[in-house]
Amino acid sequence: AQKVTQAQTEISVVEKEDVTLDCVYETRDTTYYLFWYKQPPSGELVFLIRRNSFDEQNEISGRYSWNFQKSTSSFNFTITASQVVDSAVYFCALSGSYLNTGFQKLVFGSGTRLLVSP
Amino acid sequence: ETGVTQTPRHLVMGMTNKKSLKCEQHLGHNAMYWYKQSAKKPLELMFVYSLEERVENNSVPSRFSPECPNSSHLFLHLHTLQPEDSALYLCASSPKQGYEQYFGPGTRLTVT
Repeated sequence: AQKVTQAQTEISVVEKEDVTLDCVYETRDTTYYLFWYKQPPSGELVFLIRRNSFDEQNEISGRYSWNFQKSTSSFNFTITASQVVDSAVYFCALSGSYLNTGFQKLVFGSGTRLLVSP
Repeated sequence: ETGVTQTPRHLVMGMTNKKSLKCEQHLGHNAMYWYKQSAKKPLELMFVYSLEERVENNSVPSRFSPECPNSSHLFLHLHTLQPEDSALYLCASSPKQGYEQYFGPGTRLTVT
């Protein structure tokens, strides 16, 4: 069965600090996808990135960057020069089979709450 | 226009009421999902529809009944709910299974 672990329950930083959110996953699939989502206080989950298991290149998008290391089953997310608007709960997710059917689903971690203070 | 919409945004219902949550996606996706998000609990997948075919999930109580009349609309019919069913109910869609899902804003449900 697939599993996603986000060991950091809550992180507090001061604006302009860099912060890394950890994500460790378990799967027996050889092909899978990894995702990060942001859930601001409004409640809607916002899709940030999808990464294919065959592509270990790091990705940067503005102040966001992602480090995928298959050897350690980790897919960490770094926010550079954090801002107050980055305050949210961040979820890491992994694609996986659903109820032993041919259907696929996303397995979510428990989330990391990021608090950025001015 | 928002890709995935949900109505109502907030709902308060008694334990004997019957209500329905509605979800609509404007993204041309083939798969739709209902999730339950309770305080301090992981996101809980309730139902999956793929090309309007439902994947059964026997762990969800029968007081929750989904309906997918077409690939753009998804309903969650509620009846005789319990207070522990109070939660944020999120709808999502994806272009295909296993790909990124796009979420609606959710319905905050309170059962009194």
